Amino acid sequence: QSVLTQPPSASGTPGQRVTISCSGSSSNIGYSTVNWYQQLPGTAPKLLIYTSNKRPSGVPDRFSGSKSGTSASLAISGLQSEDEADYYCAAWDDSLNGPVFGGGTKLTVL
Amino acid sequence: EVQLVQSGAEVKKPGESLKISCKGSGYSFTNYWIGWVRQMPGKGLEWMGSIYPGDSDIRYSPSFQGQVTISADKSISTAYLQWSSLKASDTAMYYCVRPPWSSWGPNNWFDPWGQGTLVTVSS
Repeated sequence: QSVLTQPPSASGTPGQRVTISCSGSSSNIGYSTVNWYQQLPGTAPKLLIYTSNKRPSGVPDRFSGSKSGTSASLAISGLQSEDEADYYCAAWDDSLNGPVFGGGTKLTVL
Repeated sequence: EVQLVQSGAEVKKPGESLKISCKGSGYSFTNYWIGWVRQMPGKGLEWMGSIYPGDSDIRYSPSFQGQVTISADKSISTAYLQWSSLKASDTAMYYCVRPPWSSWGPNNWFDPWGQGTLVTVSS
């Protein structure tokens, strides 16, 4: 049972816009910024969004993040086949005094 | 370029001990926390704990406290994750990770990630 809650799956067709939600509490998302990681099949996770809405160098601007209160979301516009991956949200948890992750969302491009 | 390179895959029997490693390069190893993240087969990511090699300060997730030992050898820029008696349930991929700051606290993230070490425990 993950501390942050994500839908287990999401899907879209090429070119579509999809969003993935991440729900937490006042001790994590409500307390700190949110990060998103992309895990392509058979590879290590990679930082996708940090500080809720910033993209590391090299991440396309099709990916965007937002946070409001105790929830956050990742939006992917202009969906491409190579976006098919698992996506994880993460935030600092004040009660744990450490980072916590969501359970992950498997994105399928139809 | 900041890099974390992990040791290779391991196959062990229940009850055996194991120590896996993560070598940092391209940055001042003693000035950043290094953490370990577990991913069980087909499951999500779990933070296990982190060490600050500069003074060997260690923080464990309560879920992993007492189950594993985290250490580091700053002379060779290497962090370790160790088990004294493996169980079948320790079968997982283990990643080492580095946050962007030297401080412990919120508004941190993990980048880069090591390539992962697959640990298989089976009789």
